[in-house]
Amino acid sequence: DIVMTQSPDSLAVSLGERATINCKSSQSVLYSPNNKNYLAWFQQRPGQPPKPLIYWASKRESGVPDRFSGSGSGTDFTLTISSLQAEDVAVYYCQQYYEIPRTFGQGTKVEVK
Amino acid sequence: EVRLVDSGGGLVKPGGSLRLSCVGYGFTFSDAWMDWVRQAPGKGLEWVGRIYTKTEGKTTDYAAPVKNRFTISRDDSKNTLYLQTNRLKIDDSAVYYCTTSEGRYWGQGTLVTVSS
Repeated sequence: DIVMTQSPDSLAVSLGERATINCKSSQSVLYSPNNKNYLAWFQQRPGQPPKPLIYWASKRESGVPDRFSGSGSGTDFTLTISSLQAEDVAVYYCQQYYEIPRTFGQGTKVEVK
Repeated sequence: EVRLVDSGGGLVKPGGSLRLSCVGYGFTFSDAWMDWVRQAPGKGLEWVGRIYTKTEGKTTDYAAPVKNRFTISRDDSKNTLYLQTNRLKIDDSAVYYCTTSEGRYWGQGTLVTVSS
């Protein structure tokens, strides 16, 4: 199974400041024939199901604010919130869909400093 | 509007069974690969399994911890996905979510508690 490891486990950022979450996969999730990274990011607020933010490592889902961006390729990925808003307080998960079983990172909790 | 509505959770004793359901609205359910994902209290997300479409023979894949105990099925005439859970263990306690396999749409979750 592909192991997904996120860092840090938690993060406290001032409102308006940048938040950066890293995700590393134990093997590449880049599929060479189509040059796509099979990596997604989700946001989960308390008591709610996960909400998709990013797919193909860097494509924002419809309706997701442009302060959220994804980058990276192969085994190393980053989710950046360029200017933290109060409503961004949540746990964030990366997930690979390169192969079965789909596997998730352990989550990164983002709070306001 | 696309919606997934999960149901069927509850309290069950170790060794017991439950059948979870998920009804899909607003999309062509029969064309969708569907997954179950679970989340133990205070823990992260864990993929449980997948069912493919009729075109792919409604074949299934499962995570190792649930293989041979859980069964995923679908009734496309009712736009409904099922998760039959058998020989439940305390560690199976979790909120269970149905989701389209690309992760774009999720149900609200249904809570399964396994306790004596």
